[in-house]
Formats: sequence, structure tokens, C-alpha cells
Amino acid sequence: DAGVIQSPRHEVTEMGQEVTLRCKPISGHDYLFWYRQTMMRGLELLIYFNNNVPIDDSGMPEDRFSAKMPNASFSTLKIQPSEPRDSAVYFCASSQTSGGGNEQFFGPGTRLTVL
Amino acid sequence: RKEVEQDPGPFNVPEGATVAFNCTYSNSASQSFFWYRQDCRKEPKLLMSVYSSGNEDGRFTAQLNRASQYISLLIRDSKLSDSATYLCVVSLHGSGNTGKLIFGQGTTLQVKP
Repeated sequence: DAGVIQSPRHEVTEMGQEVTLRCKPISGHDYLFWYRQTMMRGLELLIYFNNNVPIDDSGMPEDRFSAKMPNASFSTLKIQPSEPRDSAVYFCASSQTSGGGNEQFFGPGTRLTVL
Repeated sequence: RKEVEQDPGPFNVPEGATVAFNCTYSNSASQSFFWYRQDCRKEPKLLMSVYSSGNEDGRFTAQLNRASQYISLLIRDSKLSDSATYLCVVSLHGSGNTGKLIFGQGTTLQVKP
């Protein structure tokens, strides 16, 4: 079975450009999470969705970041305009849960470099 | 104070050694606990859940002390393939928190031949 799919795997862009990261969760999972990982700050939760509805976006750094989930099989994380400090690995994860704390399955990540 | 704190290491141990990692969490309402493993330049993956009575999975033993808000992971007879970063993870249940995990910074283990 396919796991969580993310694209692109690597992205190099210049400061000020728009960046769009994409995620396809595991079929049947009703939770989708976006994380950012850096050496300095570790793994940070940016936003998560339940049944395509954003539940908690308190981790989104600022208005330059936005996320959408138009349907159960697709989500995007957009950065506009991008800045060098946005350079990080961005992970998407999904889970199927009826309570809390069920296993999250991570995608391979998108390694973003903003020059 | 971070919600989940771990010693980042690195822990450098020889093959066959026993090594233990510790983790503390700040929110006493935390209800589920896990250890995830992350290999270099890869995504995190669930290693094991941590139950109140403690649990074992082969060479790995996890313990939870709710009173002290402390979680541990013990690896016996360490292998070269155990080299990775181990992430301590807690979950809060209830309205607004269902499904959300809080990750520690991770502890890096290097097993040497």
C-alpha cells in the first residue's frame, strides 16, 4: 500500500518566490498534519486537519504560510513570499483515530531551501 | 519550558551495550506516550507505544512514570542498525487535541563497531 506521498522531494527557490508543497495522505485516514523540522527547533506542528477541516493552526509561523485541504486525498502548504529562514524539511503525516494519540504515518518530507 | 524535553546526546556506545534515554513532559494532562525513531534524512516512524505498566518489544523496553512525568526507553544489546534519533512523543486527548502529538527534540544514538 502507498504511504503518505509528498511532492516535491526537494525545492530550491529564491527569496520572495511562492512555494507550494503537496501531500496525499493514506487513503481512509481522517487526520492530516503538517510539520516543519529544523536542527534548531526540532519537529514543529504547523497545522492539522480533521475530515478536511483545519482544527489547529496555532503553529503556523505567520501570514505568509497557508494550508488547504480541498478533499480527503490532497492538501497543500503554501509559503508566499518565501524567506531564507523558511528553509527546513516539511513533513506531512496522516492518521486514523477515534480518540487521540493514534500512530501518525509520515511522508518522506520536502527539503526546502530558500536562497 | 519545552513541553517535551530530551537530552539531545549524542550517545556513542559500542555494539552490545545497553543504553537508556529519558524524557520529561510538562503537561500532566498528557494521556498517550510514544517513542518514534528517525533515521538520518528520513521521516519519523513509530517505534513503540508506552504503557503505564511498562512494555517490552524485543530488545526495547519502555517505561512511564506519571507521578514524575517521566518516560524512558532502554535498548539492550545495541546493534549498528539502532543508530538513529529517538523522539519522545506525548499526546493530549480531549476537545481540540484529538490526534495531536507533541514531539521532543530527539536523542541521537550512534552505535560503534
